[in-house]
Amino acid sequence: EAQVTQNPRYLITVTGKKLTVTCSQNMNHEYMSWYRQDPGLGLRQIYYSMNVEVTDKGDVPEGYKVSRKEKRNFPLILESPSPNQTSLYFCASSLWPPAGMNTEAFFGQGTRLTVV
Amino acid sequence: QKEVEQNSGPLSVPEGAIASLNCTYSDRGSQSFFWYRQYSGKSPELIMFIYSNGDKEDGRFTAQLNKASQYVSLLIRDSQPSDSATYLCAVSVGGYGNKLVFGAGTILRVKS
Repeated sequence: EAQVTQNPRYLITVTGKKLTVTCSQNMNHEYMSWYRQDPGLGLRQIYYSMNVEVTDKGDVPEGYKVSRKEKRNFPLILESPSPNQTSLYFCASSLWPPAGMNTEAFFGQGTRLTVV
Repeated sequence: QKEVEQNSGPLSVPEGAIASLNCTYSDRGSQSFFWYRQYSGKSPELIMFIYSNGDKEDGRFTAQLNKASQYVSLLIRDSQPSDSATYLCAVSVGGYGNKLVFGAGTILRVKS
């Protein structure tokens, strides 16, 4: 079964305490990305990765780091979380570039992060 | 001007009608266009992808792309209450077109 697995699903942390949200996919996709979703703002891309060791900034990269040491994993790191990073986070993987007429993309279950 | 704009809705249609969802984008170099459906409390799921001008049909869904006018639309025929969700438009942007920008989404409500 095609799957993107994020952990943890829920996390409450304190300002400044480093945290990592893990993301793993089992479809051998090259393209992986992280998004945050906030009410009224929709999904905003934080970082994306075209392949192992290839990452690039999305629209809202400030305060986040990523790494892509293996094809299947793409962790999101918040080195010093702040309350404005309280949000719902999604990891996604997809075929890229889209293959011909069709493509596929899958999102993880989401991680609800609260920074107090 | 936002890069990808959608009417937030809610768009209400009766069961069996055609729902028409629209999206405009600002980057003339955009090459790939996606429609996602997101049920309340769930993850987005990809329902349509289009990259060439014209129509693309998949079951009850038709995506329409007009690059000259910079808009992409999604038609849902024979709308069902189970189609009630938020529909997100996404567009590839950037020099290599590898970055994705999403619209804020349109809420669709199908009334039985």
